[in-house]
Amino acid sequence: DGGITQSPKYLFRKEGQNVTLSCEQNLNHDAMYWYRQDPGQGLRLIYYSQIVNDFQKGDIAEGYSVSREKKESFPLTVTSAQKNPTAFYLCASSFGSNEQFFGPGTRLTVL
Amino acid sequence: EDQVTQSPEALRLQEGESSSLNCSYTVSGLRGLFWYRQDPGKGPEFLFTLYSAGEEKEKERLKATLTKKESFLHITAPKPEDSATYLCAVQGASGTYKYIFGTGTRLKVLA
Repeated sequence: DGGITQSPKYLFRKEGQNVTLSCEQNLNHDAMYWYRQDPGQGLRLIYYSQIVNDFQKGDIAEGYSVSREKKESFPLTVTSAQKNPTAFYLCASSFGSNEQFFGPGTRLTVL
Repeated sequence: EDQVTQSPEALRLQEGESSSLNCSYTVSGLRGLFWYRQDPGKGPEFLFTLYSAGEEKEKERLKATLTKKESFLHITAPKPEDSATYLCAVQGASGTYKYIFGTGTRLKVLA
C-alpha cells in the first residue's frame, strides 16, 4: 500500500519543550512539504524540500526546523521558540510539481 | 502577490440540490489549480488538477472548471456523504512547487 504516514496522531507538548513530528512516504516522491492548519485559515506552508539534503523555508518557518536525510522521510521539529504551536500539522509529498498528496495529520496541543 | 479566495465560506444544501463553489485566484503565471476535499480531523484528499482556461474535469457528482480568473466546483444532486470542506490551491510559475491555499468552503448536505 503506497501512501504517507504521520505519527503520532495526537501530541501534547509542555511549555519549553521541543517535539518532533514524523512524516514518511513510500510513493517515491521527490518533494515533501509541511503545512500548518488553524481554524478558519487556509493551509500555511512551514517548510518544503524538493530534493534530499535540501529544504527551503515556507511562509511561517519561525520556530520550526526540518531535515531531509532520506527521500522517504521529512521530520518536523516544533521548537520552544514557536510561541503558538497548537494546531493541526499536515505533511504532503509530490512527484515534481504535480499534485500533492497529504498524510492524515498530527494534532499538537500545548499544555 | 499570489492570492486565492474561496466563496461562500459555508453552504447548506438539501440532498439533490445542485450548486457551485467558487475559487478566485491571482497568480503570476498559473502552473496548476488543485481541488481537495477535507473531512474533519483528516488530511485533504486530492480531487482534480486543472492547467489551462477552458479545461474541465469530472468525478462522480463533481465537475471542476477553470477560467483565467476563477475555478468552479459544480456539485450535481449532492448526497449527505458529500459534506466536507472543499479546498482550492494554485501553483504559480515561480520555479518552486509551492501552493497557495484558499480558506475553503464548508459544505453541509442535509438528507
